[in-house]
Amino acid sequence: ETGVTQTPRHLVMGMTNKKSLKCEQHLGHNAMYWYKQSAKKPLELMFVYSLEERVENNSVPSRFSPECPNSSHLFLHLHTLQPEDSALYLCASGQTRESDGYTFGSGTRLTVV
Amino acid sequence: DQQVKQNSPSLSVQEGRISILNCDYTNSMFDYFLWYKKYPAEGPTFLISISSIKDKNEDGRFTVFLNKSAKHLSLHIVPSQPGDSAVYFCAASARGRETSGSRLTFGEGTQLTVNP
Repeated sequence: ETGVTQTPRHLVMGMTNKKSLKCEQHLGHNAMYWYKQSAKKPLELMFVYSLEERVENNSVPSRFSPECPNSSHLFLHLHTLQPEDSALYLCASGQTRESDGYTFGSGTRLTVV
Repeated sequence: DQQVKQNSPSLSVQEGRISILNCDYTNSMFDYFLWYKKYPAEGPTFLISISSIKDKNEDGRFTVFLNKSAKHLSLHIVPSQPGDSAVYFCAASARGRETSGSRLTFGEGTQLTVNP
């Protein structure tokens, strides 16, 4: 257990479904992140929340919708996804000082059918 | 434009020998570099880091070297152990506003296999 918990660990959804990924951290960090990891690709930064405010959206399609209700929780709402969205979705938390790395959750393995 | 590249997708070494993982970057604004290790079905875990004001940082069996002029860093593991078998990601960050979240740019990863 790294201190960042993601649920569910695995998710299979149809292209017309709506689902949400959840991330929770109790490390006292003030920034949270969503990353996408596809096979044989670098981790791609999707969203950054700092002090509960979204500060970055890396041209992510609107079918992905993040929500950060407080500094400990982060959600990724999914709707009308495509099969190519199948990937490992990783949540991370950190501090805003540059010298700190992130703490990652174990990820949600998403399969879109 | 991939700013952090790990050109070797895989590396295989014998137990007890040295493992050297390489990483190149293009953005001269990067001033902090990290290595993460990832086992299957787990998220990446932080391994070791180095600031651009240094050229070497050591932590037990792990040493990271930074060559700023070549925009190259490497991770040395010696002696390598079978439990080191994992995917290793290189990451880099550039200074930003204090109130903004720090952003890490990752490489593609290198699968290290240490054979007994």
